[in-house]
Amino acid sequence: GEDVEQSLFLSVREGDSSVINCTYTDSSSTYLYWYKQEPGAGLQLLTYIFSNMDMKQDQRLTVLLNKKDKHLSLRIADTQTGDSAIYFCAESPNTGGFKTIFGAGTRLFVKA
Amino acid sequence: SQTIHQWPATLVQPVGSPLSLECTVEGTSNPNLYWYRQAAGRGLQLLFYSVGIGQISSEVPQNLSASRPQDRQFILSSKKLLLSDSGFYLCAWSRGGQVGSTWGYTFGSGTRLTVV
Repeated sequence: GEDVEQSLFLSVREGDSSVINCTYTDSSSTYLYWYKQEPGAGLQLLTYIFSNMDMKQDQRLTVLLNKKDKHLSLRIADTQTGDSAIYFCAESPNTGGFKTIFGAGTRLFVKA
Repeated sequence: SQTIHQWPATLVQPVGSPLSLECTVEGTSNPNLYWYRQAAGRGLQLLFYSVGIGQISSEVPQNLSASRPQDRQFILSSKKLLLSDSGFYLCAWSRGGQVGSTWGYTFGSGTRLTVV
């Protein structure tokens, strides 16, 4: 079945690294995504990773993919108060039509 | 460049009243279109998606309906709202004909619906 799971809350201190974890079930997904949602706004695509990659780095963001365990993580280096938001993990299964499956979102709190 | 417009931003409606939320996309053609609902503090629930004019797929049985009268217009409707319809409604688009892409989904800014 289609399911994307992630922890609901994460609290870090400003300047520390944040790691948000996610597990997915459909190994047919070519793309896996991380989205960010700020309060009262829509979701914004943060980054994506191809399923044939292990890691992708984009400035302060590092995405790690363990395809064997179907585990995806997002690391934010030097976390800032502006990073406080909800982060959604998502996959686009090749067997699921044109749908992207989203996790429930991890709310990141950054303490000054 | 592509943009997505969603309105209104907030809406307070009485129980039993009708609903119409509109979403339009600019700068692309034949997009896949989606309506999601986000309950307070919860994840995204896919309500409807469309891969073409007049083609609507419903994910969750409910008193809502969707229509796509034009290629880049997606409308979410209800004849009679329930209290449980309250939530944050998000419209999104993705490139047509593709299962996932490097562009992912582009979301509108959302409509906060409160049914009283």
